[in-house]
Amino acid sequence: NAGVTQTPKFRILKIGQSMTLQCTQDMNHNYMYWYRQDPGMGLKLIYYSVGAGITDKGEVPNGYNVSRSTTEDFPLRLELAAPSQTSVYFCASSYSSGRGYNEQFFGPGTRLTVL
Amino acid sequence: AQTVTQSQPEMSVQEAETVTLSCTYDTSESDYYLFWYKQPPSRQMILVIRQEAYKQQNATENRFSVNFQKAAKSFSLKISDSQLGDAAMYFCAYRSARNTGNQFYFGTGTSLTVIP
Repeated sequence: NAGVTQTPKFRILKIGQSMTLQCTQDMNHNYMYWYRQDPGMGLKLIYYSVGAGITDKGEVPNGYNVSRSTTEDFPLRLELAAPSQTSVYFCASSYSSGRGYNEQFFGPGTRLTVL
Repeated sequence: AQTVTQSQPEMSVQEAETVTLSCTYDTSESDYYLFWYKQPPSRQMILVIRQEAYKQQNATENRFSVNFQKAAKSFSLKISDSQLGDAAMYFCAYRSARNTGNQFYFGTGTSLTVIP
């Protein structure tokens, strides 16, 4: 299994441009997440999804959009990129919630710079 | 929302020595799970160890062990016989056992340096 994969690994955007960060998991996990990690900081949840067709906002959703048309894929869309969105973005997935460890498995991250 | 606090932004340890990383959390729940993740320079988040709140026995994984104090809401990570490959950022994380989307709450991390 490849686990959680993310593309691209690196990207430089100009202010006002748009892009989509791709995330795919092959573990048949129901739950998927997008986080951002600013330098020297922890992870902040942007959006999450508990299954295909269902998404919900996390702590810092402004400036982002997501969709979940399949179990495997959870793309993150940046519209009108701003310098404040310069960060490292992580996608994660987990099997379920409730009882049981249900730890999150992470992708390798995408380093995004907005100039 | 639950909060997770890691009060040590940076720690260092001599190779082969033992180091303890601190983590405290704030919650009104009694059923939850705690995790330590490691983030090496490659940025890949790797699960190190996990603990269920209802288990009194502290979790261990080879050289990694935890000291879980439920009443004090403390969850420290002990690394024994430190190795150069242990150098990384370590994040403590909390998640509720309620069926609420499996949201994890992460601390701000502790950067561990291993001195040869």
